[in-house]
Amino acid sequence: NAGVTQTPKFRILKIGQSMTLQCTQDMNHNYMYWYRQDPGMGLKLIYYSVGAGITDKGEVPNGYNVSRSTTEDFPLRLELAAPSQTSVYFCASGPRGHLNSPLHFGNGTRLTVT
Amino acid sequence: RKEVEQDPGPFNVPEGATVAFNCTYSNSASQSFFWYRQDCRKEPKLLMSVYSSGNEDGRFTAQLNRASQYISLLIRDSKLSDSATYLCVVLASGSARQLTFGSGTQLTVLP
Repeated sequence: NAGVTQTPKFRILKIGQSMTLQCTQDMNHNYMYWYRQDPGMGLKLIYYSVGAGITDKGEVPNGYNVSRSTTEDFPLRLELAAPSQTSVYFCASGPRGHLNSPLHFGNGTRLTVT
Repeated sequence: RKEVEQDPGPFNVPEGATVAFNCTYSNSASQSFFWYRQDCRKEPKLLMSVYSSGNEDGRFTAQLNRASQYISLLIRDSKLSDSATYLCVVLASGSARQLTFGSGTQLTVLP
């Protein structure tokens, strides 16, 4: 199993550009999440999904969109990049039902908006 | 008030030392608690869950005090490889397993 795979690993965007951060998991997990982590800070939840076709906003959803057309994929879209979106983005997945199961994280995408 | 607050650190300790991290959470309905470890520029990984009765995993001991809404992590006989950021993580009630992360406490174990 590859686990949770995120692409790209690094990206530099100009203000106003758009991009999609890809996330895929091969563990058949129902739950998937997108977090961002600013330097010296904890992770903040952007969006999450409890299954294909279902998405919900987290703590910091503004400026982002997501979709969940399949169980495996959960892409994060930035439409008009802003410097405030410079951060490290982590995708994660977890199984339904077992509260103490760990979340599986991808390696992260380091995004700089200039 | 932040939902999950941790000691700001950083903690710099010699090898072999015992170090304790504290964490408080604001949502009394929180139902599950964890410590995650994050190495520099890497993804977080689960270190251990925290159970009401307290639990131990080798050199690591986690404790939970629901009345005080307080979680702790004790590391005994610290190793150089324990150097990392330790994140206190709380699961809110609800069905979507939305984890709330503390800002983390940085630990450096010195030779």
